[in-house]
Amino acid sequence: EAEVAQSPRYKITEKSQAVAFWCDPISGHATLYWYRQILGQGPELLVQFQDESVVDDSQLPKDRFSAERLKGVDSTLKIQPAELGDSAMYLCASSRGSYNEQFFGPGTRLTVL
Amino acid sequence: RKEVEQDPGPFNVPEGATVAFNCTYSNSASQSFFWYRQDCRKEPKLLMSVYSSGNEDGRFTAQLNRASQYISLLIRDSKLSDSATYLCVVNVAGGYQKVTFGTGTKLQVIP
Repeated sequence: EAEVAQSPRYKITEKSQAVAFWCDPISGHATLYWYRQILGQGPELLVQFQDESVVDDSQLPKDRFSAERLKGVDSTLKIQPAELGDSAMYLCASSRGSYNEQFFGPGTRLTVL
Repeated sequence: RKEVEQDPGPFNVPEGATVAFNCTYSNSASQSFFWYRQDCRKEPKLLMSVYSSGNEDGRFTAQLNRASQYISLLIRDSKLSDSATYLCVVNVAGGYQKVTFGTGTKLQVIP
């Protein structure tokens, strides 16, 4: 069964450092999402791609976060500089289209010290 | 008012009980709806889509009430393994579908 891949699974960094997360969606899925989830809360959408284009990044803190999906396949989410409040689970999901159900990767758990 | 609201719970129910959760949404242009299950410190996993006519998958039944703007999830004959957080997802129509997750309802099934 096809899965969404994410790496790394865990990341510990110090504040002011740069971090990057990688996501490889299910083959053929045009829509890719990055979410941030704080314990006890639902996932919060950071950015949504349709192929290589960003269609929603309204909740992305653009002063420090950036995301790209250059060839419309895999994607990278970067934080620079990391802050203590960025500690959370970062989830990537993909779907065939924006009307379809999403499938999630295992997530990257970020701890900022 | 939040776009998508869920009672956070926890709902503590005995094994074998029937339990139901609701999820209300504020945007009448919402088009597609899903229920996800999330175990502690794991990723959400799709439980079921919610269709206008309602749909059932084994012990799970999902329903949509457009007039009152909510979706529901009914779990019959609860098992210990059903203990998890249940997240609803609402997609709003537009040039692309805007996705909003609820905060989740925690279910604890007790022996």
